Amino acid sequence: EADIYQTPRYLVIGTGKKITLECSQTMGHDKMYWYQQDPGMELHLIHYSYGVNSTEKGDLSSESTVSRIRTEHFPLTLESARPSHTSQYLCASSLPGLYNEQFFGPGTRLTVL
Amino acid sequence: AQSVAQPEDQVNVAEGNPLTVKCTYSVSGNPYLFWYVQYPNRGLQFLLKYITGDNLVKGSYGFEAEFNKSQTSFHLKKPSALVSDSALYFCAVTPSGYSTLTFGKGTMLLVSP
Repeated sequence: EADIYQTPRYLVIGTGKKITLECSQTMGHDKMYWYQQDPGMELHLIHYSYGVNSTEKGDLSSESTVSRIRTEHFPLTLESARPSHTSQYLCASSLPGLYNEQFFGPGTRLTVL
Repeated sequence: AQSVAQPEDQVNVAEGNPLTVKCTYSVSGNPYLFWYVQYPNRGLQFLLKYITGDNLVKGSYGFEAEFNKSQTSFHLKKPSALVSDSALYFCAVTPSGYSTLTFGKGTMLLVSP
């Protein structure tokens, strides 16, 4: 089992709330990723980072923001949650270099009422 | 832009029979291909990858995949299915020089006793 953690595992909140989804890994990986997984199963990359102070937007436009102040920590923030943000959010990390496999956390299932 | 197609939403197979989960891809240049598995309420787990070399790649839990460049396919196979193989399977691709993955929409594998 990979050492990558996500909290909370489940979150139900009201519209307009600010939330932060936490992701931490103890493997020392430089690269980290956030994916949004639709109820219909498909994964979409929303943010990624190649290392400290590096963040990039992914293929799917997202209203969320990320930060990478420490190698092991890659939190995702929604300033004002809406029902359209209801989804599962998966965090992953990988070694530097190309074509290395990604290790995934267990996910956070977010429901916005 | 790269893309992955998993033409079957669901594959049903009896325990002990061989299984195949199909994947085709579209990418500019050389493809680098991955298979992941997702069990309920869990993150994705890496199964195997094709980078270069032998077209038949062996991975975890007895799975293997065959890279076919002319058919742009990377089908996942196992000689004898187990009930515990029932899960959601994702194929992913990244083109040469990139480190972010594009995932297919997933195929649910159901193995009956």
